[in-house]
Amino acid sequence: QVQLQESGPGLVKPSETLSLTCTVSGGSISNYYWSWIRQPAGKGLEWIGRIYSSGSTNYNPSLKSRVTMSVDTSKNQFSLKLSSVTAADTAVYYCARGVPAADYWGQGTLVTVSS
Amino acid sequence: QSALTQPPSASGSPGQSVTISCTGTSSDVGGYNYVSWYQQHPGKAPKLMIYEVSKRPSGVPDRFSGSKSGNTASLTVSGLQAEDEADYYCSAYAGSNGYVFGTGTKVTVL
Repeated sequence: QVQLQESGPGLVKPSETLSLTCTVSGGSISNYYWSWIRQPAGKGLEWIGRIYSSGSTNYNPSLKSRVTMSVDTSKNQFSLKLSSVTAADTAVYYCARGVPAADYWGQGTLVTVSS
Repeated sequence: QSALTQPPSASGSPGQSVTISCTGTSSDVGGYNYVSWYQQHPGKAPKLMIYEVSKRPSGVPDRFSGSKSGNTASLTVSGLQAEDEADYYCSAYAGSNGYVFGTGTKVTVL
């Protein structure tokens, strides 16, 4: 059974960079697309971007200038960096396998942007 | 890149059917057969219920069905059960804009 687990700081200061890692267990990270999706409290889902196991990326145009994704196949991990964060970036961040059909999801991690 | 439009709420009694719409444009819903539907219970991660418009992942009851006509996709839940009460989100491939989610629909089982 594939499992995903997000990890990273739960509190980030405004203007700094949010960094999260997703560790995949129970299956290989190779030959799949992997996504980051976020959800502000009480609001809907927003696709942030995706990365293929080869390192090829696609980002949400509205976030593209601030997003960087990377993958480490040796560790079965992929990562998200979101720069110049503001309070509007406060959300639960999910990692997931696959797009457009994300069949496995992490439990989500709350990241709060506050000084 | 605008969110796909879903009704904020829908409801039905146990055993009845409920249909949720998801309206986009010819650049997303209408342009590709890559529409998915997710179910999300409070405090939980979304769960994939439908992919590629009408396909069900293994383990999803056949009470859940999907369809598409033009720029609008739909999810129908037949034989409503208490555990179907949740938020539902559609998503669609939007070409060079990547992927877009719907605004979400809260389904209440009366």
